[in-house]
Amino acid sequence: KAGVTQTPRYLIKTRGQQVTLSCSPISGHRSVSWYQQTPGQGLQFLFEYFSETQRNKGNFPGRFSGRQFSNSRSEMNVSTLELGDSALYLCASSFGGLAGNEQYFGPGTRLTVT
Amino acid sequence: KQEVTQIPAALSVPEGENLVLNCSFTDSAIYNLQWFRQDPGKGLTSLLLIQSSQREQTSGRLNASLDKSSGRSTLYIAASQPGDSATYLCTPNSGYSTLTFGKGTMLLVSP
Repeated sequence: KAGVTQTPRYLIKTRGQQVTLSCSPISGHRSVSWYQQTPGQGLQFLFEYFSETQRNKGNFPGRFSGRQFSNSRSEMNVSTLELGDSALYLCASSFGGLAGNEQYFGPGTRLTVT
Repeated sequence: KQEVTQIPAALSVPEGENLVLNCSFTDSAIYNLQWFRQDPGKGLTSLLLIQSSQREQTSGRLNASLDKSSGRSTLYIAASQPGDSATYLCTPNSGYSTLTFGKGTMLLVSP
C-alpha cells in the first residue's frame, strides 16, 4: 500500500511570508502528527490531529497551526516566517489508538527561509 | 515529561562488526517503543516496534530488547554493512501519537 506522502518536498520562502505544507496519510490511518527537525533541537513534536480534531499540541508559538480534513489529509501552516523556521518538517500517520500504534513517517518537506 | 537519551552519539565501525545501540527513557509508563533509521535529509523508516509486554523483537539482522521497568532498550545489529550507515532513533510511546525523540546515534559502517 502507498506510504505517507508530503508535498511539496522543497520550499524556499522569505521572512514574513506564510507557508502551507500538506500530508496524506496511509489509507485507513486517522491520526496525523507533525514534527520539526533542526540540527540544533532535533525532532520536536508540533501537533497531532485525529478525526479532524487537534488532540495534542507541542510547545510551539501560535504561528504554527494545522488542520485535518475528513479524508484524514492534513495541512500545516506557518505564518510570518522567521529564519529559525528553516527545518525539515515531517509528518507521521497511524491508526491513532490510545495504545500507541506504529507510526509511519513521510519523506518530509525541506523549508528554507531567507 | 518523557526524556530520551541515546548512547553512543556516534559510532564508526568496519563492515562485519556486531553493534549495540542504547536507548534510555525516563518515564516507564509506555505502551511500546519504536526504533527508526534516518538517512541524511530523509524521513524516518520504521525498523522495529516492540510492545511493552514483549522483551525482544527481531527483524532480519536487527534485534531490539526492552526493559520497561528500568527504562532501557537496546538495538543489536548483526554483521553490519555499509548500507546500515544512518542515524538511529528510538522513541517510547506513552499513548496516542505523540512521540519524544532523543538525539539519535549516528552510525558509519566503512567497507
